[in-house]
Amino acid sequence: ETGVTQTPRHLVMGMTNKKSLKCEQHLGHNAMYWYKQSAKKPLELMFVYNFKEQTENNSVPSRFSPECPNSSHLFLHLHTLQPEDSALYLCASSQEEGQINYEQYFGPGTRLTVT
Amino acid sequence: LAKTTQPISMDSYEGQEVNITCSHNNIATNDYITWYQQFPSQGPRFIIQGYKTKVTNEVASLFIPADRKSSTLSLPRVSLSDTAVYYCLVGPNAGGTSYGKLTFGQGTILTVHP
Repeated sequence: ETGVTQTPRHLVMGMTNKKSLKCEQHLGHNAMYWYKQSAKKPLELMFVYNFKEQTENNSVPSRFSPECPNSSHLFLHLHTLQPEDSALYLCASSQEEGQINYEQYFGPGTRLTVT
Repeated sequence: LAKTTQPISMDSYEGQEVNITCSHNNIATNDYITWYQQFPSQGPRFIIQGYKTKVTNEVASLFIPADRKSSTLSLPRVSLSDTAVYYCLVGPNAGGTSYGKLTFGQGTILTVHP
């Protein structure tokens, strides 16, 4: 248990569906991240939020839309996805205090399958 | 960002010490070296971080030579539960704009046998 929870743990959706992934951190951290991990590929950073402001968008297609209403919650809204978007989506958080902190706490991930 | 090179896989047996080496020839002066562990269908877990010489915690040791162009993660007396993927990461320069940005490579698949 890392203090970062993600729901749902598994999701199957059609290409025309709209769904959302939720992440919540109970660690009091001020930065949150979305990563994508496809089969046999390294983790890819998608979005970074620091103090609720998006500081990084790593050339992610617009069919992925992040939302960070407060420093404890992070959402990833999904619409009109493609089968190649099937992957493990991981949320992470960290405490940034003026210097870069490389210790990020990851949630268990949401296994997404697009049919 | 400095690129890292690790062995794709390693095998070991219970009770042995395992050393995983990572090469990072173009590491920058202010870069730190960080190692993560990932079990199947779980998120990565921070293991250890260092800048130079040796760092030790309750889980592992990290050895960094003077030129910092490589680093070695040492896991003492591994057990079956240490079977996982281990990632070596070299962070962006301290004070840069890449706030907390981690770049993961392929990692090393460690398999511990009975």
